[in-house]
Formats: sequence, structure tokens, C-alpha cells
Amino acid sequence: EAEVAQSPRYKITEKSQAVAFWCDPISGHATLYWYRQILGQGPELLVQFQDESVVDDSQLPKDRFSAERLKGVDSTLKIQPAELGDSAMYLCASSLGRETGGYTFGSGTRLTVV
Amino acid sequence: GDSVTQMEGPVTLSEEAFLTINCTYTATGYPSLFWYVQYPGEGLQLLLKATKADDKGSNKGFEATYRKETTSFHLEKGSVQVSDSAVYFCALKGNNDMRFGAGTRLTVKP
Repeated sequence: EAEVAQSPRYKITEKSQAVAFWCDPISGHATLYWYRQILGQGPELLVQFQDESVVDDSQLPKDRFSAERLKGVDSTLKIQPAELGDSAMYLCASSLGRETGGYTFGSGTRLTVV
Repeated sequence: GDSVTQMEGPVTLSEEAFLTINCTYTATGYPSLFWYVQYPGEGLQLLLKATKADDKGSNKGFEATYRKETTSFHLEKGSVQVSDSAVYFCALKGNNDMRFGAGTRLTVKP
């Protein structure tokens, strides 16, 4: 069964350092999403890509977060500088883009900022 | 904006008990509705979905019916197992991105 690949699974970083997460969506899925899930809460969208273009980044803290999907396939989410409040699970998901379809999520990256 | 409200947990049941997790939504138009499950340390897995009113989604013994008149999509299972212990998220997708509820933690004891 096709999966969304994410790495690393776990990341511990000191505040003010830079950190990056990688996601490889299911082959053929044009739409890619980055979500942030704070412990005990539901996921919240950070950024949505359609192919290589950003469709929605209204909730992305652009002073410190950036995301790219240069060739419309895999994607990188970066935080610089990391803050203590960034500690969360970062989830990547992909979909065919059809409105009624569900998303396929990766296993996530658990970030701890110390 | 679109939003989902689900019952607060945690929910603790004995094996073979009946499960209901309530979910209500607010949305403009006709959203698709979903239930996702998350096991410890993992991402979310799609459990079931319904795309229009009166549709029933079902999978692995779980089911939920899209009730437009009550704006609800309650999750049910007739007999839970220890392996069903996880966090369950109700979600909707309308014209924008998918919106999730806060999640309900289910623990099933043998």
C-alpha cells in the first residue's frame, strides 16, 4: 500500500536553531499538505501545495516558517529560528485533490524544542 | 468558518462494549465528513467517510451516518476490542482545507 514518507521521525533541537522536515507524498498526488498537531489537539493546516504552487499558507508563521515543493513532488518545511512553542507533531498529507476524497497522512515528525 | 465539535474524552470502555463518539459540525454548503484514527506516535489513518446526506460510512466494524438535519456524524461500534484503543478525530472538508475536531481518546480494557 502506498504511503506518505516523512523524515525524521523524531527531532530534538535547541531554541533559536534551524530545523527542517521532509515529506514524499504518494506518487501521483498533486496536492500536499503540512499540518501541525499540538499535543492533545487536532491537526491544523500550515500550508497547502497544488503541484509546486502554494494554494494556502494563511496560517503559516512566515517570519520563521518556510515551505517549498520545488518540483511538485517532495516537500520541505523549515523553521528558523525554532521556539519552545513550536514543539509539536508535524504531519504531511497528500491527496489527489478531489474535493470529496480523504487525505493520506504520513507518520509525522515529533519536534521537541529545548 | 467551518468547524467540528466532538465529545471530550477520555472514554474508557470494557472489551465488547458499545461505542459512541459524538461529532457535530458547522459548515456552509455540503461538506464531506470523515473519521480518522491515530495510534500512539503515528499519523492519522482514514477510518471512514461520507460525502453526502444520509450516506453511511463503515469500516472495520465502525460506522457513522451523515445527518444533515442534525449536522452530526457520530461514530459507533457495536463491540470494541482492546486494539481499538486510540485517538479518534472527526473532520470535515468543504470548500477549504480539512478541519479537524480536537480528538477523543478511547481506551478499551480487557
